[in-house]
Amino acid sequence: QKEVEQDPGPLSVPEGAIVSLNCTYSNSAFQYFMWYRQYSRKGPELLMYTYSSGNKEDGRFTAQVDKSSKYISLFIRDSQPSDSATYLCAISRNQGGKLIFGQGTELSVKP
Amino acid sequence: DSGVTQTPKHLITATGQRVTLRCSPRSGDLSVYWYQQSLDQGLQFLIQYYNGEERAKGNILERFSAQQFPDLHSELNLSSLELGDSALYFCASSLAGGEQFFGPGTRLTVL
Repeated sequence: QKEVEQDPGPLSVPEGAIVSLNCTYSNSAFQYFMWYRQYSRKGPELLMYTYSSGNKEDGRFTAQVDKSSKYISLFIRDSQPSDSATYLCAISRNQGGKLIFGQGTELSVKP
Repeated sequence: DSGVTQTPKHLITATGQRVTLRCSPRSGDLSVYWYQQSLDQGLQFLIQYYNGEERAKGNILERFSAQQFPDLHSELNLSSLELGDSALYFCASSLAGGEQFFGPGTRLTVL
């Protein structure tokens, strides 16, 4: 079993839609949770960084962590064509430790 | 722009050869991480250095080695290259743990 599972998609939504991206992880030892956005063949860009259960909001992005269910989510409100990219969840056991990435979900936002 | 730089952007080489990938972390960051991204394996952690010393190792092949220099830049050396080593190689940096910021990557093609 993989340590973190993420539906690869692809996911296609119309502009303005709310997007929900999800990952599940297998071990409660993971304490730090991140979401990265990666445009084709470019370096991953950090979107959100959290270390506790609950919600964290940054502009149109909301990260949600449910440690009891080992489930993390990223919501994108008012999605734009420029949000079209691959979204990667990442988890870590400790601060500054290695990141374990999901497979990535490919998102396409249609005008 | 994350502030992490990587050179070269592209490398094309032959099987059996040796190459060196270079990374300069963000100003002030002490930790450097190397990751490999391939289509079948996704984004995988290779190795971490902190202030010149090896901190953690992932599933890094024995043919691969890395080091971090006193000025904090890092090099990843790949030797006896095989076709399967073709991938994107990313460097990330962080201050003292916490958020990891990725560079633009080096695309390695082994022919």
